[in-house]
Amino acid sequence: SQTIHQWPATLVQPVGSPLSLECTVEGTSNPNLYWYRQAAGRGLQLLFYSVGIGQISSEVPQNLSASRPQDRQFILSSKKLLLSDSGFYLCAWTDTTGPYEQYFGPGTRLTVT
Amino acid sequence: AQSVTQLGSHVSVSEGALVLLRCNYSSSVPPYLFWYVQYPNQGLQLLLKYTSAATLVKGINGFEAEFKKSETSFHLTKPSAHMSDAAEYFCAVSARNSGYSTLTFGKGTMLLVSP
Repeated sequence: SQTIHQWPATLVQPVGSPLSLECTVEGTSNPNLYWYRQAAGRGLQLLFYSVGIGQISSEVPQNLSASRPQDRQFILSSKKLLLSDSGFYLCAWTDTTGPYEQYFGPGTRLTVT
Repeated sequence: AQSVTQLGSHVSVSEGALVLLRCNYSSSVPPYLFWYVQYPNQGLQLLLKYTSAATLVKGINGFEAEFKKSETSFHLTKPSAHMSDAAEYFCAVSARNSGYSTLTFGKGTMLLVSP
């Protein structure tokens, strides 16, 4: 069966510090991968998605970037965090054969102080 | 473009009462539709999905949803609420592309269950 991992589970970082969040998927190959942010009272916002190694699409302009160095690894990064980057970050995967339901990881709670 | 509207940011029911969470969608193509549940500080868990087969879809934990094309609705129901159903529920519609898709989520409905 497939599993998806995210770490760290929680993170408190000062403004201006760098960020690296990691997501890995087990039990599948060539998944589509997604990063979402969930801010209080604002629902889920799709940040990035990837259909393959090195292929990243950004949904919104922002202070964050994403990379996919391996087939089942997806990394969310920032060079300098802003207060507005605080939120709950969720990674998700789906296979490529439809109907494309997404399976979510446990999430990372990021607080920028 | 796809969109989802969930009516009611909060719904309160008593334990044992009917649960009804409303979702209306907009899609330019026949949609795939999903309901997810999120417990505090956890990721989203898939409850059920509509994929153009049966219009009445049964999911986990006793939930079901009915796809009504004429009403562009996909409401989630459960005959009898349990305390453990208290959580936030998200309706989502899939935008299908070749080899990948993105999900558009509603803003969520918080279900409160009182004893």
